[in-house]
Amino acid sequence: DAGVIQSPRHEVTEMGQEVTLRCKPISGHNSLFWYRQTMMRGLELLIYFNNNVPIDDSGMPEDRFSAKMPNASFSTLKIQPSEPRDSAVYFCASSPGQNEQFFGPGTRLTVL
Amino acid sequence: DAKTTQPTSMDCAEGRAANLPCNHSTISGNEYVYWYRQIHSQGPQYIIHGLKNNETNEMASLIITEDRKSSTLILPHATLRDTAVYYCIVRVAHNAGNMLTFGGGTRLMVKP
Repeated sequence: DAGVIQSPRHEVTEMGQEVTLRCKPISGHNSLFWYRQTMMRGLELLIYFNNNVPIDDSGMPEDRFSAKMPNASFSTLKIQPSEPRDSAVYFCASSPGQNEQFFGPGTRLTVL
Repeated sequence: DAKTTQPTSMDCAEGRAANLPCNHSTISGNEYVYWYRQIHSQGPQYIIHGLKNNETNEMASLIITEDRKSSTLILPHATLRDTAVYYCIVRVAHNAGNMLTFGGGTRLMVKP
């Protein structure tokens, strides 16, 4: 298995633009997580899905952020409109429902 | 979930054992201790977890004190590739999802 796949790996955009980050979890995993990492705040959980259903989105910073999981093999995290303070590395992780989470390589987002 | 306290940084000589402590004095009876690590520019990687018994796998050993208020992750023969930030996380494991709350972690530097 290729592991968790994220795209793009790097994204540079201008303030006000829409940004869409994509994640393909490991096949057979029923939980998917989106995290954000910055120097100031460390690793933060944004939202997680179980069986494609959002379970907890309390970490989503504000209404500009939205996440979807239309099927078991794909999820998106969208920021509209983007702001410079959204600059961070965004990680997607999946889990088979047991103890271990498998993280993707991350998307480094820069908002100018 | 219980809060954890870890030293900010540690050094270890290559080939020697690295012992990373974690304090979790408010841990509850149904909370597990998890360890993850994050190598620079990569996503976090699961290492090991335990409830109250000591655990060992191919990566590391986890020693949990009898009162469960602290634990130590042991890398028996540290290599340069073990240089990373190590996160100790305490949480309840359940099947509906496995949310992780990352603290600041310990930055381990393995030196030749």
